[in-house]
Amino acid sequence: QKEVEQNSGPLSVPEGAIASLNCTYSDRGSQSFFWYRQYSGKSPELIMFIYSNGDKEDGRFTAQLNKASQYVSLLIRDSQPSDSATYLCAVNNSGNQFYFGTGTSLTVIP
Amino acid sequence: NAGVTQTPKFRILKIGQSMTLQCTQDMNHNYMYWYRQDPGMGLKLIYYSVGAGITDKGEVPNGYNVSRSTTEDFPLRLELAAPSQTSVYFCASSYDGYRTQHFGDGTRLSIL
Repeated sequence: QKEVEQNSGPLSVPEGAIASLNCTYSDRGSQSFFWYRQYSGKSPELIMFIYSNGDKEDGRFTAQLNKASQYVSLLIRDSQPSDSATYLCAVNNSGNQFYFGTGTSLTVIP
Repeated sequence: NAGVTQTPKFRILKIGQSMTLQCTQDMNHNYMYWYRQDPGMGLKLIYYSVGAGITDKGEVPNGYNVSRSTTEDFPLRLELAAPSQTSVYFCASSYDGYRTQHFGDGTRLSIL
């Protein structure tokens, strides 16, 4: 079983719509959760991090964490063409290691 | 404000050659990481370090070696390069191994 699983997509949404990205993880001891955006040929850049159950909002982005279901999601409101990228979910276990999913490719159609 | 600096950006190696990928950070972070990313895949941890003199294996350490003699530097050594090591390599650092990682721009390595 993979540590972190994501739907690889591709996910296509029209401009202005809400994009919903999902991630599940296997280690119940995981403590911190991250969403990175990665443009083609570039390094990952942090979008959101969340440590506690519930929602965390930052501008157009909302991260949602449910530790009981071992599920973390990212909502992007008012999606823009510049949001088109691959989104990587990462989970930090209790052993100082970060595990990444394979990423979900998002395309925002103008 | 350099952050994490990786060199070189691109490299082509022949099978059996060796090389060192350099990584330097100027944020005084204790934790440093080496990942590889194959096309269409996520990042796989090769090695990590929790401080100078301390290193540990990640998911895919075979064929690689690391050292951490200073807080700033965390070089990755490839011995006897193989085509399976063709990938993009990212170095990252973290203040405490729990919060945000900061990534370098990556090294694109091809082995022919």
